[in-house]
Amino acid sequence: AQSVTQLDSHVSVSEGTPVLLRCNYSSSYSPSLFWYVQHPNKGLQLLLKYTSAATLVKGINGFEAEFKKSETSFHLTKPSAHMSDAAEYFCVVTHTGTASKLTFGTGTRLQVTL
Amino acid sequence: GAGVSQTPSNKVTEKGKYVELRCDPISGHTALYWYRQSLGQGPEFLIYFQGTGAADDSGLPNDRFFAVRPEGSVSTLKIQRTERGDSAVYLCASSPRRVVSTGELFFGEGSRLTVL
Repeated sequence: AQSVTQLDSHVSVSEGTPVLLRCNYSSSYSPSLFWYVQHPNKGLQLLLKYTSAATLVKGINGFEAEFKKSETSFHLTKPSAHMSDAAEYFCVVTHTGTASKLTFGTGTRLQVTL
Repeated sequence: GAGVSQTPSNKVTEKGKYVELRCDPISGHTALYWYRQSLGQGPEFLIYFQGTGAADDSGLPNDRFFAVRPEGSVSTLKIQRTERGDSAVYLCASSPRRVVSTGELFFGEGSRLTVL
C-alpha cells in the first residue's frame, strides 16, 4: 500500500518569505514522489518529481523538494514566496508496482499575503 | 486543442438520473485517467486506459460507474442512478506514456457534478 500525508491543510506566508509545505509518505516499495499544484479554476500541473535519481529535486517557479528516506519525507520549499504562488498543492506517490496510479494527498492550501 | 478538454464543466442532476461526462485528451496521448475529487480532498483514482482498453478499473466505487474509450482517444465516464454522494469534480488526465516513468499527467479542468 502507498499513501502520503500532508501535515498542514492550510499555510499562510508573507510575500518574500520562505515557503515550507510538509509531506510524509508511506510505500512498500521504492517510491516515486511528486508535487502537483492546482490554481483556482485551472487544471492540476506537475511542479516537480523524484524518481530515485538526485534526492534534491528542482521544479518550476523556484520550488524544490528533498527526498529523505530516513524521515520518509518529501517537503516542498521555496526561498521567497510570490503572490502568484497562492494555490492548492498536492503531494503524490506512486511506484513501479502500481504503474497506473498516482495516489494524492489531501492537499495544502497556500495563502500569500502582502 | 492544446490541452485536455472536459465537458460539461458543470452538471446538475437529480438523484437517480443517468450522467455522462466526456474527456478529450491531448492528441497522441495513449494513456487516459479518470480521477474524482471531493470537496477538501485530493483526487482519487477511478480508472486508467491504455489505448482502448481499461488497464486498471480498481478505483471505480461500484457498478453504477462505467467508462469507455472506444477509439483510443475520447473517453466517456458514465454514472447510472446517481446518488448525492457522487457529487464531486471529475478529473480527466492523459499522458503519452505510463505515468510511473514520468509522473506527469496532463489534467483537464474537470467536470463538476452536483446531484440534488
